[in-house]
Amino acid sequence: ETGVTQTPRHLVMGMTNKKSLKCEQHLGHNAMYWYKQSAKKPLELMFVYSLEERVENNSVPSRFSPECPNSSHLFLHLHTLQPEDSALYLCASSQESQGGYGYTFGSGTRLTVV
Amino acid sequence: AQSVAQPEDQVNVAEGNPLTVKCTYSVSGNPYLFWYVQYPNRGLQFLLKYITGDNLVKGSYGFEAEFNKSQTSFHLKKPSALVSDSALYFCAVRDGSNYQLIWGAGTKLIIKP
Repeated sequence: ETGVTQTPRHLVMGMTNKKSLKCEQHLGHNAMYWYKQSAKKPLELMFVYSLEERVENNSVPSRFSPECPNSSHLFLHLHTLQPEDSALYLCASSQESQGGYGYTFGSGTRLTVV
Repeated sequence: AQSVAQPEDQVNVAEGNPLTVKCTYSVSGNPYLFWYVQYPNRGLQFLLKYITGDNLVKGSYGFEAEFNKSQTSFHLKKPSALVSDSALYFCAVRDGSNYQLIWGAGTKLIIKP
């Protein structure tokens, strides 16, 4: 267990469904991230939360909606997705003031949009 | 602009041979450098990092990396490869003023028995 837990591990959803991905970190970190990883493409940073405030939104379509209710939890709400949104979604956390410690990742949610 | 380059999409090595996975970077300040490994359908796992000090850093699973400031490189190495080392490897850099990591595209390492 890495200290960052993502649920569910796998998700299949139709294009008209609404679902949410959950991420929980038990490390006391103060920054959390959502990444999208598609086959044969670099990691794509989607959202960054620092001290529960969104600090970055990298031109992500509005069908993805993040929520960070507290420093330990991060959600990604999904609605009316497209097949090209099928990917591995990774959550990560870090401690901002400790730049040398990198990120801790969860195991990811494998999302398939049908 | 800050960037990380992993010039090889894939590296093939025979089991027992030494391996090298290349990484070069560009940052404005002093770099914090990282290597991560990803096994199929899993998140990224931390391998090692360079912050300051000795240019040769040792990490998990027998991996090491050498920081070369003049060549702006941080290549990952292992003296003797194992089949279980087969995975996707990511290099990342962070400058001292920004907590966000800049990622390379990843290198697929295949170790053949």
